[in-house]
Amino acid sequence: EADIYQTPRYLVIGTGKKITLECSQTMGHDKMYWYQQDPGMELHLIHYSYGVNSTEKGDLSSESTVSRIRTEHFPLTLESARPSHTSQYLCASRGGVTGRQETQYFGPGTRLLVL
Amino acid sequence: AQTVTQSQPEMSVQEAETVTLSCTYDTSESNYYLFWYKQPPSRQMILVIRQEAYKQQNATENRFSVNFQKAAKSFSLKISDSQLGDTAMYFCALQGGSEKLVFGKGTKLTVNP
Repeated sequence: EADIYQTPRYLVIGTGKKITLECSQTMGHDKMYWYQQDPGMELHLIHYSYGVNSTEKGDLSSESTVSRIRTEHFPLTLESARPSHTSQYLCASRGGVTGRQETQYFGPGTRLLVL
Repeated sequence: AQTVTQSQPEMSVQEAETVTLSCTYDTSESNYYLFWYKQPPSRQMILVIRQEAYKQQNATENRFSVNFQKAAKSFSLKISDSQLGDTAMYFCALQGGSEKLVFGKGTKLTVNP
């Protein structure tokens, strides 16, 4: 079973504030992902990383940025939150040296509401 | 480009009955993986079942099984003896060599008592 954590689980914040969504995993997975899930539940890849110091933009353009300084940590930052950023954000990881390396495991998600 | 299509936005089933969720996909790759994920209301996305394309045998996990038709590029999920806890969004997904998972738009399944 995968151990991947996201904090906060829920966040209500005002327009213009800077926010960081945290994602950590304890499996030593090299690949990590951020998805944005719209109200219709469709998933959109916004960022991913192959490993430390590697970050790539996903299929959906996003004003957020990410960093990967440590293998286990993949935070997502919004410099200036806007109501259009209101969504659920899911973090996932996969990889490792044993087990189901091709399977992505998901965190519990962060529900963000920007007023 | 890889695509995944789930043609049933919503489905419902009576408790204890069997239901099949459809998924078709398109890829030019010969080696890939297919997945079904489940996301219960306001809860975490979890893996239900996975299938390796090079394996002809259909994957099974307890009450969940797939019908993998490689030539037809079809990957349906059968849930037997449906339970109330099976109520969730179900996503079909494809993992090829691009390192990215391609998801369908999901099927909302409701199990009625």
